[in-house]
Amino acid sequence: AQSVAQPEDQVNVAEGNPLTVKCTYSVSGNPYLFWYVQYPNRGLQFLLKYITGDNLVKGSYGFEAEFNKSQTSFHLKKPSALVSDSALYFCAVRDGQGGKLIFGQGTELSVKP
Amino acid sequence: KAGVTQTPRYLIKTRGQQVTLSCSPISGHRSVSWYQQTPGQGLQFLFEYFSETQRNKGNFPGRFSGRQFSNSRSEMNVSTLELGDSALYLCASSLNERIHGYTFGSGTRLTVV
Repeated sequence: AQSVAQPEDQVNVAEGNPLTVKCTYSVSGNPYLFWYVQYPNRGLQFLLKYITGDNLVKGSYGFEAEFNKSQTSFHLKKPSALVSDSALYFCAVRDGQGGKLIFGQGTELSVKP
Repeated sequence: KAGVTQTPRYLIKTRGQQVTLSCSPISGHRSVSWYQQTPGQGLQFLFEYFSETQRNKGNFPGRFSGRQFSNSRSEMNVSTLELGDSALYLCASSLNERIHGYTFGSGTRLTVV
């Protein structure tokens, strides 16, 4: 069965520093991986996806993610964090041929000035 | 371009009642998925519809049902509400889930008292 894990419940970063939010996955076949961000009392906003191609995926708001097949990881990164990046981040994998996404438990990112 | 619209945004119901939530996908999107988000269980897949047919179903009791109309709008229904059904219900749509990401609505916050 497909699954994703986000090993950190919370990540704290100082503004201006680089940030990494970790995600590992377990899939049979080729992985279709996604990162979403959620602000309080809001839905999920799409950041980026990996389906095929380059291992470094660039997304919205300056975020990028590195797909590593040997380590089965898909970590989210940003070179310089902003206070406004503080939110809940979800990694997800598509399960099967349809529209079912399996989400990690989420990582709370806190960026302090 | 309008996003995914969910109505209502907030809802308070009493145990034993039933509720219907609505989702209007982005124009042209035929795939609509529903998710339940709770602090304890995180984001869990409910079901997915494509061209008025249920394509995938999650592990929820039969009290949870859905449907999709010819204009791709979708509704989900929960009968005999329980306190544990209190959650944020999110709808997502996609033009082609093999190529594109999923766009989520802002959700419906259901509180069962």
